[in-house]
Amino acid sequence: DAGVTQSPTHLIKTRGQHVTLRCSPISGHKSVSWYQQVLGQGPQFIFQYYEKEERGRGNFPDRFSARQFPNYSSELNVNALLLGDSALYLCASSFWPGRGSGANVLTFGAGSRLTVL
Amino acid sequence: AQTVTQSQPEMSVQEAETVTLSCTYDTSESDYYLFWYKQPPSRQMILVIRQEAYKQQNATENRFSVNFQKAAKSFSLKISDSQLGDAAMYFCAYPSALAASGTYKYIFGTGTRLKVLA
Repeated sequence: DAGVTQSPTHLIKTRGQHVTLRCSPISGHKSVSWYQQVLGQGPQFIFQYYEKEERGRGNFPDRFSARQFPNYSSELNVNALLLGDSALYLCASSFWPGRGSGANVLTFGAGSRLTVL
Repeated sequence: AQTVTQSQPEMSVQEAETVTLSCTYDTSESDYYLFWYKQPPSRQMILVIRQEAYKQQNATENRFSVNFQKAAKSFSLKISDSQLGDAAMYFCAYPSALAASGTYKYIFGTGTRLKVLA
């Protein structure tokens, strides 16, 4: 079975540009979460979607937005890029965004490495 | 607010030896889960082990085991018979409830880089 797939794997943008990152969850998983991992730090929660509805948002500016499609894949959009947006963006999926038992455990993709110049 | 703290930025272990990575957390909940994830240079976070707070028995997965001290809010990871492939960043994580939604986000520590010496 395919795991969580993310695209692109690497990308370079300049300040002020826009970026779209994509994520396909494990088949059967209905929840997708996005995390930002700055170099040398642990992942920070950005968004969570379940059944195409936003269920949670982390402490990120409105330049960050996301959506989930009917096939449960997801996009993360970042507008007006800043140097500080340079990071590894991780997508994680689970059957349900629960506490962490059974099928609710997060499975992560390999991430999209964004560099902003 | 829940927090997760990993106080060891880097640890080294000789191949075949045992190493323990530390994690402390803060929560007011009584029933919760705790996780250790491994992130190798390939970047993909891989679940290592999971502990349910209401279970007194420490979780074990092959060479990986935890020492869960609920009263002390401590959750350390022990790796026995260390192998070169264990070299990675290790993150401790706690699922924190998202208010009103009934769902959870993960709070991660800052990680411990484990080096395995041949």
